[in-house]
Amino acid sequence: QTVVTQEPSFSVSPGGTVTLTCGLSSGSVSTSNYPSWYQQTPGQAPRTLIYSTNTRSSGVPDRFSGSILGNKAALTITGAQADDESEYFCLLYMGSGMGVFGGGTKLTVL
Amino acid sequence: EVQLVESGGGLVKPGGSLRLSCAASEFIFSNAWMSWVRQAPGKGLEWVGRIKSITDGGTTEYAAPVKGRFTISRDDSKNTLYLQMNSLKTEDTAVYYCASEWSYAFDIWGQGTTVTVSS
Repeated sequence: QTVVTQEPSFSVSPGGTVTLTCGLSSGSVSTSNYPSWYQQTPGQAPRTLIYSTNTRSSGVPDRFSGSILGNKAALTITGAQADDESEYFCLLYMGSGMGVFGGGTKLTVL
Repeated sequence: EVQLVESGGGLVKPGGSLRLSCAASEFIFSNAWMSWVRQAPGKGLEWVGRIKSITDGGTTEYAAPVKGRFTISRDDSKNTLYLQMNSLKTEDTAVYYCASEWSYAFDIWGQGTTVTVSS
């Protein structure tokens, strides 16, 4: 069973830059996994940030960007703001056509 | 404004059944691939399953933990997605979200409905 891995937690200073990653327990992430990223605050539904590796969803600020870094997908937040403090989930599509979510990264801005 | 609104959640005993609905507004529902995603208390997101558009065959796919117990269906005349859940287990306790798929991602999410399986 393939596991999608994310850092459990991360912290960033206001105005700073942080890169969250999304990997596979076996193998490398590529654009063929169509990495997407979701932001969720407690009690709220997820919000789509990035799809197809690096395309921002409508209304998402350009301080959020997606990429492939080495063998992982990455979400970079440039100029972090207080309201970026959230949990971030990645989703990777597998050969089966179904996707698997990572366990999420709790981002603290302080 | 495009919206997805879930309903039908509640408290059910283990072994029981529940049907969730997801109503879409101002949305080309019939062309959309639709999914259910759940989130157990304090846990991450888990894809439950999807149904393709009728023009793409209307086929369904399910995650292993729910296969054979859950059934996803759609009524395009009512712009509504359904999730029939049978033989419920305590581990099915979660907030259930419906979401539309676009370009190998989820783009529109509902607000979620809570299902609690407990005796």
